[in-house]
Amino acid sequence: DTAVSQTPKYLVTQMGNDKSIKCEQNLGHDTMYWYKQDSKKFLKIMFSYNNKELIINETVPNRFSPKSPDKAHLNLHINSLELGDSAVYFCASSLTRNPGNEQFFGPGTRLTVL
Amino acid sequence: GESVGLHLPTLSVQEGDNSIINCAYSNSASDYFIWYKQESGKGPQFIIDIRSNMDKRQGQRVTVLLNKTVKHLSLQIAATQPGDSAVYFCAENDYKLSFGAGTTVTVRA
Repeated sequence: DTAVSQTPKYLVTQMGNDKSIKCEQNLGHDTMYWYKQDSKKFLKIMFSYNNKELIINETVPNRFSPKSPDKAHLNLHINSLELGDSAVYFCASSLTRNPGNEQFFGPGTRLTVL
Repeated sequence: GESVGLHLPTLSVQEGDNSIINCAYSNSASDYFIWYKQESGKGPQFIIDIRSNMDKRQGQRVTVLLNKTVKHLSLQIAATQPGDSAVYFCAENDYKLSFGAGTTVTVRA
């Protein structure tokens, strides 16, 4: 069984559209994350949720809105997509918010904005 | 700017040789470091970690060295195999995971 899963794997859309990426973890973890990886492979945290509560928001434009309906799910909604949003988005989870806990990453969602 | 970086963006290594991947960090208060491996089309995967009260930690075919004096971290892979071809990231974790830019390792047969 996949520990951290994301849908869709690929997303191609036009500028100005609104899209969502979904993430689910079946590890029973309390904490979930969204990361953005750009074309140069640089990986940067965007958000973190602990038990459905936002704990990290790394100055991401407010066009990005994460939602956690329960602690096993963390979805990412993006409004008014821009060319610069093209990237690979990774979801991750960890047992708790303790920095010493290993983070488990999903397979990524490659978003292409045309 | 980012607090974690890698010295070289690419590394080509002969199969069977040892690989050394380097990383420099700038936050002297960092006390926990992790190496991740990212294969093509996949998410990063934990390899090994080390805390600042240690200077060396060994895993299966991998060793991480930490030099706090010069704020340098390295990952050594013994007897490199084709399956080791990937992008390797060092990261520090205080309240969030901060990644360096990554080193792409290519193993030559």
